Amino acid sequence: AQSVTQLGSHVSVSEGALVLLRCNYSSSVPPYLFWYVQYPNQGLQLLLKYTTGATLVKGINGFEAEFKKSETSFHLTKPSAHMSDAAEYFCAVLTNDYKLSFGAGTTVTVRA
Amino acid sequence: DAGVIQSPRHEVTEMGQEVTLRCKPISGHNSLFWYRQTMMRGLELLIYFNNNVPIDDSGMPEDRFSAKMPNASFSTLKIQPSEPRDSAVYFCASSLGQGASYQETQYFGPGTRLLVL
Repeated sequence: AQSVTQLGSHVSVSEGALVLLRCNYSSSVPPYLFWYVQYPNQGLQLLLKYTTGATLVKGINGFEAEFKKSETSFHLTKPSAHMSDAAEYFCAVLTNDYKLSFGAGTTVTVRA
Repeated sequence: DAGVIQSPRHEVTEMGQEVTLRCKPISGHNSLFWYRQTMMRGLELLIYFNNNVPIDDSGMPEDRFSAKMPNASFSTLKIQPSEPRDSAVYFCASSLGQGASYQETQYFGPGTRLLVL
């Protein structure tokens, strides 16, 4: 069964520093992978997704993720953190035509 | 576009009471999903509708939970009787198309925060 594992439940970064959130997947078939963000008291919002094609995927708010098959990874990065990036981030893999399997989430705090 | 609308945003009830959560998907979307989010289990898909028909309810915890979608613009998730372990945030999401979410993005509502005392 397809699944994802997010390494690190909490990440703290300084404003302007690199944001790196780690996600590894387990899949017996080429995976479709997603990153969602959840701001406090809000629903999830899609940041970006990988389906096929280019392995470097650019999303909203300056985030990007790279699909690395050899490492079974789909890590999310942003070169320079902003205070507004404080949120919880979820990696997810599509397990069939409609079902997303989510990771446990990583909470990002941004220090001024 | 108003996005996915859920009501109520917060619900506090006592054990044994019936709880009804409501969702209005984005107009034109024909796939609807109910999720539950807890600290212990994370985000779980409860049920998936396509064109108002339940396609997959394997995530529904038990018979106390039921969901309906009487038309394309409204869905309910009912818990009867409610128990403290049902306390969670319940999200509704919708997408355009036949539920192939690798093609179609799922748009989430703001959620209903349920507390059962």
